[in-house]
Order: sequence, then C-alpha cells, then structure tokens
Amino acid sequence: GAGVSQSPRYKVAKRGQDVALRCDPISGHVSLFWYQQALGQGPEFLTYFQNEAQLDKSGLPSDRFFAERPEGSVSTLKIQRTQQEDSAVYLCASSPLRADDTQYFGPGTRLTVL
Amino acid sequence: AQTVTQSQPEMSVQEAETVTLSCTYDTSESDYYLFWYKQPPSRQMILVIRQEAYKQQNATENRFSVNFQKAAKSFSLKISDSQLGDAAMYFCAYRSRWFADGLTFGKGTHLIIQP
Repeated sequence: GAGVSQSPRYKVAKRGQDVALRCDPISGHVSLFWYQQALGQGPEFLTYFQNEAQLDKSGLPSDRFFAERPEGSVSTLKIQRTQQEDSAVYLCASSPLRADDTQYFGPGTRLTVL
Repeated sequence: AQTVTQSQPEMSVQEAETVTLSCTYDTSESDYYLFWYKQPPSRQMILVIRQEAYKQQNATENRFSVNFQKAAKSFSLKISDSQLGDAAMYFCAYRSRWFADGLTFGKGTHLIIQP
C-alpha cells in the first residue's frame, strides 16, 4: 500500500512568514509523530498523536510551533513567524496501533528560511 | 533522559566486504526497543532492523545483523556482502517500551561503499 506522504517536499520562506507542513500517514495507522532534522544531525522528536489526541508535545521548540490532527488522519505542523534556526527537514512518521510499534517515515519536507 | 551515541561519523568499506557500525546508548529502563534506520540522499528513513531488549537473540534481516550487548548498552550493526545500494546515512535509535515517546536518534554514520 501507499507509504507516508508529506507535502510540500521543499519550502522556502522569508523570515517572519507562517508555514504549514502536511503529513498523510499510512491508512489506518493510529500513531503519528513529527521530527525535526537539522543538517548533519539525527532527527529530534517534536510531537506525537494517537488518533486526534496530541499526547506529547514536549519536543516542540517554542510556542511558534503548533501541530494538529483533527480527524485522526492527516496532520499539519504549523510554524508561525519563521526564523532562520527553523531551517531543517521535518519528518513525519506513523505506526499501526501503539506508540511502541515500528515507525514508518515519510520523505520529509525541507524548510529553508531566508 | 535517554541518549544514543554513534562514534563513527563516517565509515568506508569495499563492495562485497563486511562492515560494522557502532552504537551505544544510555538508559535507566530495562525494557525498550532499538532500531537501525537507513537514510539515503532521498531522505526517506527506511527501517533496517529492530531489536527488543527483552529478547536475548540478536536480530537478523538477510545481510544485516546486530550484536546487542544489553549490559554494555551496545547495539552494533553488521552489514555483510556490502552492496553499492547500502551507501547511506545510518541512524541508531532508541525507544522506551512503556512510555509514549518518540524515537531518540544518534547523530548518524555516513557509510561509503567503494566499488
């Protein structure tokens, strides 16, 4: 079946602009995760959903970052008033049932803030 | 908090040879999962292999196998008969079994395959 998809693949924003990054998980997957991957680094956890409930947002770096999954399927990561340090690849992952199942990743969105 | 350390920023191996990538981790938990993910230039993270900490037997997947030493908190990945398609960044990752956290990743090892 189809894997995790993310859009856009690339996003260039001017500093101060708001951006929205979309994730379509594998159909039927309950858990959804967002990660931020800076250049040359491993991904870092941002937030986790189980269905529509956001169970952990401890990794969100500031209150400019907001994520939602209103119907328990598609998720959007929104970054307000982008700053240069927000430049990174944003990865989305989903897993079938519980948070401890294997996570399947999307191709990521590369965000560049000028 | 858990930490994952990959001490080899880059490794190089001849095609058809064997290479081992190192990973150590720190945790106070007794039950958890460990993973190796591969990330080619396309950026898609691909699961290579997974190990449950409560299992004594080392996981294997075709040419990929792990050496899991729980007491030493070590989790190395062995790639046998290396192929050009194995060239990628490899990330070691940890996950608690009982807490609904995301994965904790190491910084990665860049694997180069020499033809």
